[in-house]
Amino acid sequence: AQSVTQLDSQVPVFEEAPVELRCNYSSSVSVYLFWYVQYPNQGLQLLLKYLSGSTLVKGINGFEAEFNKSQTSFHLRKPSVHISDTAEYFCAVGITGGGNKLTFGTGTQLKVEL
Amino acid sequence: KAGVTQTPRYLIKTRGQQVTLSCSPISGHRSVSWYQQTPGQGLQFLFEYFSETQRNKGNFPGRFSGRQFSNSRSEMNVSTLELGDSALYLCASSSSDSRGNTIYFGEGSWLTVV
Repeated sequence: AQSVTQLDSQVPVFEEAPVELRCNYSSSVSVYLFWYVQYPNQGLQLLLKYLSGSTLVKGINGFEAEFNKSQTSFHLRKPSVHISDTAEYFCAVGITGGGNKLTFGTGTQLKVEL
Repeated sequence: KAGVTQTPRYLIKTRGQQVTLSCSPISGHRSVSWYQQTPGQGLQFLFEYFSETQRNKGNFPGRFSGRQFSNSRSEMNVSTLELGDSALYLCASSSSDSRGNTIYFGEGSWLTVV
């Protein structure tokens, strides 16, 4: 079975500062990875995904993530955050042959302060 | 292109009752998945349907069931509601069940059981 660990439940950061949200996964088979964002009272919006190839993946809203197979990590980064980035961020993993079933981490609440 | 539509958005039920939630996927999408989101358990996979067939099932009791119609619309049903079933139920759709396919989420149905 696969699992996802998001090490930080909350990350406070000042506006225009860089941020990194950490995600580690565990799986015995090949995986593909996603980051989703959830704004209050809304569903999940896809930020980016990694399937294969280049380990640096760029997404929407200036976010990017780097896949590191040896460290089984898929950390999300943004060089300069904005107040509007305040939201909960979820890392998720799917496996080949698993259809569209995703296993999610517990989420990281990003709070951007002035 | 319309997104994933879930109805109703909010509902309140009494313990012991049953509830049916509806999901209309993005036009052309044949895969529909359901997730339960609670503060305590996070996002948990319920089941996935593809072309009217259940392809994956999560670890939920038999009170949770679903189905998919020929037009890809899906419903999930929870019978004999318990207080612990209070949650945000998210529906997601995808065009296929290929590896790493982009999965789009609806805004969810908020269920409160009293």
